[in-house]
Amino acid sequence: AQSVTQPDIHITVSEGASLELRCNYSYGATPYLFWYVQSPGQGLQLLLKYFSGDTLVQGIKGFEAEFKRSQSSFNLRKPSVHWSDAAEYFCAVGASNFGNEKLTFGTGTRLTIIP
Amino acid sequence: NAGVTQTPKFQVLKTGQSMTLQCAQDMNHEYMSWYRQDPGMGLRLIHYSVGAGITDQGEVPNGYNVSRSTTEDFPLRLLSAAPSQTSVYFCASSYYFVGGKTPYEQYFGPGTRLTVT
Repeated sequence: AQSVTQPDIHITVSEGASLELRCNYSYGATPYLFWYVQSPGQGLQLLLKYFSGDTLVQGIKGFEAEFKRSQSSFNLRKPSVHWSDAAEYFCAVGASNFGNEKLTFGTGTRLTIIP
Repeated sequence: NAGVTQTPKFQVLKTGQSMTLQCAQDMNHEYMSWYRQDPGMGLRLIHYSVGAGITDQGEVPNGYNVSRSTTEDFPLRLLSAAPSQTSVYFCASSYYFVGGKTPYEQYFGPGTRLTVT
């Protein structure tokens, strides 16, 4: 079975600084990989996804993520954060020989932005 | 489109009571699912459905029932509420993708915060 680890429970960055959120997965083949964002009191919204092709994936709101097979990682990055980026971020991994029902979510990273 | 809607937003139950959390989507998605979100545990899949009349268990199905009589609706029933079921519940829907195909985005509802005393 696949699994996903988000090693950072909470990250604080200054507005305008760069951001990297870590995600490591475990799966024997090429996985589906996703990043979702959850604003306070809201449901989750998809930021970006990876299945195949270019290992650098662009998403909404200026986010990008890079799939690194050798490191089993799919880290999320943003060059300059805005106060509105404060939220909880979830990485998810899916088994590529199954469909939606095999998505596994990480425990999340809470992002705080300071002025 | 309203997207994925969930009712109620908040609910307090006493141990042993039963209730139904409602979920509806207007995007004609085949796939619908229920997750629970607990602090430090991420989202865990309770039950899912790949179409009307078809449901299956996820990672944490005990104490919950589902049915899917229409494409639009996917209610979650708590049969006899327990304090361990205190959680935030999210419904999600998407087009169903099979292995080897480009995955579709899951759309999430706003959640139901349930407290069992």
